[in-house]
Amino acid sequence: DGGITQSPKYLFRKEGQNVTLSCEQNLNHDAMYWYRQDPGQGLRLIYYSQIVNDFQKGDIAEGYSVSREKKESFPLTVTSAQKNPTAFYLCASKIGGSGEQFFGPGTRLTVL
Amino acid sequence: GENVEQHPSTLSVQEGDSAVIKCTYSDSASNYFPWYKQELGKRPQLIIDIRSNVGEKKDQRIAVTLNKTAKHFSLHITETQPEDSAVYFCAASRGLTGGGNKLTFGTGTQLKVEL
Repeated sequence: DGGITQSPKYLFRKEGQNVTLSCEQNLNHDAMYWYRQDPGQGLRLIYYSQIVNDFQKGDIAEGYSVSREKKESFPLTVTSAQKNPTAFYLCASKIGGSGEQFFGPGTRLTVL
Repeated sequence: GENVEQHPSTLSVQEGDSAVIKCTYSDSASNYFPWYKQELGKRPQLIIDIRSNVGEKKDQRIAVTLNKTAKHFSLHITETQPEDSAVYFCAASRGLTGGGNKLTFGTGTQLKVEL
């Protein structure tokens, strides 16, 4: 189903704790993206990476951090500085050049 | 940065009727316009896309039109079926001309096809 996986599907954390969301792809895609989805707001870009060891902030990067140590992996850490972290998080990847982004199944994070 | 507006936010049609969803964008440098369909609890999936050198593209019951002058593009679904019920997102990107092929999404349209 696309070769991009996210884990876990559901995640619960206490307020003030950092949490890391996993995103792995076996599509040999160069670029990877993290989006946040809230009801009625569409998908908003958090961070993206075009190549290994390089990443850029998206539109809503505050309170989040990422790393891209391997081509296949792009983990997202939601830090305690993120004021409203409860949301559905989607990871996507794309081969180099313009074209389709393939999405993972998403992780629903709930902060209690 | 780019701003994409999408209308309507909800759309109800009878089975067999057509559905039209409209988007406008602000960045004249945008040149790639995909449409994604997201079923409840599922990941978004690309259903059709169009590049700025083309005015219209069709794939069976789905078509997309682009008006670069007006910065406007639309999704047309004909002969709607219950399985078309989902949330549809438009998006815009500068592609290779800048910014890592970032997509800016509209806020989505909840399409309901009624029997």
